[in-house]
Amino acid sequence: GQNIDQPTEMTATEGAIVQINCTYQTSGFNGLFWYQQHAGEAPTFLSYNVLDGLEEKGRFSSFLSRSKGYSYLLLKELQMKDSASYLCAVTDSNYQLIWGAGTKLIIKP
Amino acid sequence: GAVVSQHPSRVICKSGTSVKIECRSLDFQATTMFWYRQFPKQSLMLMATSNEGSKATYEQGVEKDKFLINHASLTLSTLTVTSAHPEDSSFYICSARDPRGREQYFGPGTRLTVT
Repeated sequence: GQNIDQPTEMTATEGAIVQINCTYQTSGFNGLFWYQQHAGEAPTFLSYNVLDGLEEKGRFSSFLSRSKGYSYLLLKELQMKDSASYLCAVTDSNYQLIWGAGTKLIIKP
Repeated sequence: GAVVSQHPSRVICKSGTSVKIECRSLDFQATTMFWYRQFPKQSLMLMATSNEGSKATYEQGVEKDKFLINHASLTLSTLTVTSAHPEDSSFYICSARDPRGREQYFGPGTRLTVT
């Protein structure tokens, strides 16, 4: 079956760095997405990886290793507004998005 | 970035009535739109894939006669929850795939409460 695993909840301190991991087993692979979702709101796009390596975009970076079925989202200089759920999603061979359950990130002052 | 709108943002209806939710892509033509449902503290659950000009593809366990989807144009898809019951109360989110890119753009969601 298809499966995406990410931690349920993480806590970090304002100003620090946090890494949210995602592992996947899917039928085929056509890219991995990270989305941010604040409570009561729809998800917003953060990043897309289809090749191995690190993609950096401001305070957020995303890494992919296809051979390991592994990705992480790195958030630097954490701000209180970064408190949200972070969703990992993989596009399978049929170009359908398979969603992880999300990681709730709690930022403490 | 691309914008997807959804209307209404909130709706409260009585049990047994029907509710229609609209999803529009505002600056691109979307041949494919997706409808998700999200219960509190849970991840997104894909309900169906809406294809312009053809029938929607429903996920296993989703009743096609209860959740009617119409994708009448390249910028509009509608989801009608028929004979709504309290257990249908949820956050319904649509998304549209921009054919020029890869990601899905999400609408702001519709919070449905059935009393």
